[in-house]
Amino acid sequence: DIQMTQSPSSLSASVGDRVTITCRASQTMGFYLNWYQQKPGKAPKLLIYAASTLQSGVPSRFSGYGSGTDFTLTISNLQPDDFATYFCHQSHSAPYTFGRGTKLEI
Amino acid sequence: EVQLVESGGGLVQPGGSLRLSCAASGFTFDSYWMAWVRQPPGKGLEWLANLRSDSNEVYYLDSVRGRFFISRDNAKNSLYLQMSTLRAEDTAVYYCARLPWLHNAFAFDLWGQGTMVTVSS
Repeated sequence: DIQMTQSPSSLSASVGDRVTITCRASQTMGFYLNWYQQKPGKAPKLLIYAASTLQSGVPSRFSGYGSGTDFTLTISNLQPDDFATYFCHQSHSAPYTFGRGTKLEI
Repeated sequence: EVQLVESGGGLVQPGGSLRLSCAASGFTFDSYWMAWVRQPPGKGLEWLANLRSDSNEVYYLDSVRGRFFISRDNAKNSLYLQMSTLRAEDTAVYYCARLPWLHNAFAFDLWGQGTMVTVSS
């Protein structure tokens, strides 16, 4: 099974900041990495798929990078709506696994 | 409107069974892989199972294989999760999710609102 190590587990930032969240896979997996945003009491929302492709409707301040085992999600010019929890997810092989999440707080 | 709506959650005793349903609308349901993902209270996401559009290919998380059964009825635009021998650790919000092939990768691009399952005596 591919294990996903996501860091940091929490992050404090301010409106206008630029933040980066990292996900490391326990084995190489090409570009099969997705990122989701989740707000309290809501379902996750797909932000980025295939490591770097922005899902339709997602603001361009979100960007993804990486391949193989190391991936990043960067949010530039943080907006109030961006304070949420973010999860990475590998779809290379079953069992599909998620990172433990990064809670982005003010 | 493109949406997924889960139902069937509730309180069940340890060892009991429950069947979750997910009603799809606004898209061609029988063209997509579908999946169930759960989230225990205050914790992260856990993928449970995938089912191909024609039901001919399925994958399960090891810890639920043999206890949970994913199925679909394309004529009714519905996905199901039959859960049996439930344990306290199965307590979670259960989401159904659409799983398209996007630019050479699967990703969950549409989620339901979730249904809560509580396993407790």
